[in-house]
Amino acid sequence: SQTIHQWPATLVQPVGSPLSLECTVEGTSNPNLYWYRQAAGRGLQLLFYSVGIGQISSEVPQNLSASRPQDRQFILSSKKLLLSDSGFYLCAWRFEGLTDTQYFGPGTRLTVL
Amino acid sequence: AQSVTQLGSHVSVSEGALVLLRCNYSSSVPPYLFWYVQYPNQGLQLLLKYTTGATLVKGINGFEAEFKKSETSFHLTKPSAHMSDAAEYFCAVSDLSNDYKLSFGAGTTVTVRA
Repeated sequence: SQTIHQWPATLVQPVGSPLSLECTVEGTSNPNLYWYRQAAGRGLQLLFYSVGIGQISSEVPQNLSASRPQDRQFILSSKKLLLSDSGFYLCAWRFEGLTDTQYFGPGTRLTVL
Repeated sequence: AQSVTQLGSHVSVSEGALVLLRCNYSSSVPPYLFWYVQYPNQGLQLLLKYTTGATLVKGINGFEAEFKKSETSFHLTKPSAHMSDAAEYFCAVSDLSNDYKLSFGAGTTVTVRA
């Protein structure tokens, strides 16, 4: 069976500090990977997705970036956090070549002060 | 481009009563439709999905939804609410025109009264 992990679970960072959130998937190969952000009182916003190592598509221009250094690893980064980056960050995966269900990780709660 | 509208940001039901969450979508091509549930500070869990075939879809925890193409709707129901159903529910759509990326509704928070 497949499992998705995210860490850290909770993070409090000052404005202007860097960010690195990690997502890993076990039990499958070459998954499609996704980063979403859920801000307070708002729905889910797709930030980035990847169909393979080194392949990143950005959905929303912002001060965040994503990388996929390994097949089952997806990293969300920022060089300098803004207050507006606070939110709940969710990673999701989908089987390669299939067009239906995305499976979500447990999420990371980021608070920027 | 596809979009999703969930009618009602908050729904309150009595324990044992019917749960009905409304979802309407727009899509220029045949859609895939999903309902996810989110408990506080947790990720999203798939309740059920419609891709093709039977339009009445049964999911986990006693939930079901019916795809009605003529009404562009995918409403979620459960005959008898349980306290454990208190959560936030998201309807989502994907289709070929957007490479099957998910577009979510704003969510509906369900509270269950004892």
